[in-house]
Amino acid sequence: EVLLVESGGGWVQPGGSLKLSCATSGFTFSATTLHWVRQAPGKGLEWVGRIRSKANNYATDYAPSVKGRFTFSRDDSENTAYLQMNSLTTDDTAVYYCSRASGDHWGPGTLVTVSS
Amino acid sequence: DIQMTQSPTSLSASVGDRVTIPCRASQSIGTYLNWYQQKPGRAPKLLIYTASGLQRGVPSRFSGSGSGTDFTLTISSLQREDFATYYCQQTFITPYTFGQGTKLE
Repeated sequence: EVLLVESGGGWVQPGGSLKLSCATSGFTFSATTLHWVRQAPGKGLEWVGRIRSKANNYATDYAPSVKGRFTFSRDDSENTAYLQMNSLTTDDTAVYYCSRASGDHWGPGTLVTVSS
Repeated sequence: DIQMTQSPTSLSASVGDRVTIPCRASQSIGTYLNWYQQKPGRAPKLLIYTASGLQRGVPSRFSGSGSGTDFTLTISSLQREDFATYYCQQTFITPYTFGQGTKLE
């Protein structure tokens, strides 16, 4: 069974940092591109970015709204992807999801709240 | 960036109705278009990939069509469990933008 589970969400003050994890199982993680998508409360879906596989040199792409502040990484030995978020603002408050590139499996999401 | 437009953002329908949900891209994206269904408090669920491919396990009353800039999600006979929000997403070029969503009410 394919599973993805995000963790690491919580409350952080503006300007702060947070690191999310996406733990996976049930598929060949090392060969898979992982995407991050977020959803602000009561709003639509926003693509945050992706990290590709080792075969694609772990290339990353970021949405303009997070470029330079967010960083994707992955540990293929642990089947886990990470999202390091720095210089957070209130606009980053959202549920953050990870998903496989095919879009067929998503985690349940983790809530990040940026507030003073 | 490619802009994805879904209009209307809400749609009133009844059980048994045939429903069509449009999505327009600001430039041609071929058939690099996915459709998702989302219910409150849940992660999105993939319904249609590459504009018209039915995801395994998704009921056959769902179908997708279109290419280039104009796309449509059709529900042939609306069921109670289909009341949700539907999003299109282009996967032609990053950033992989979503439409604003269409809520079926």
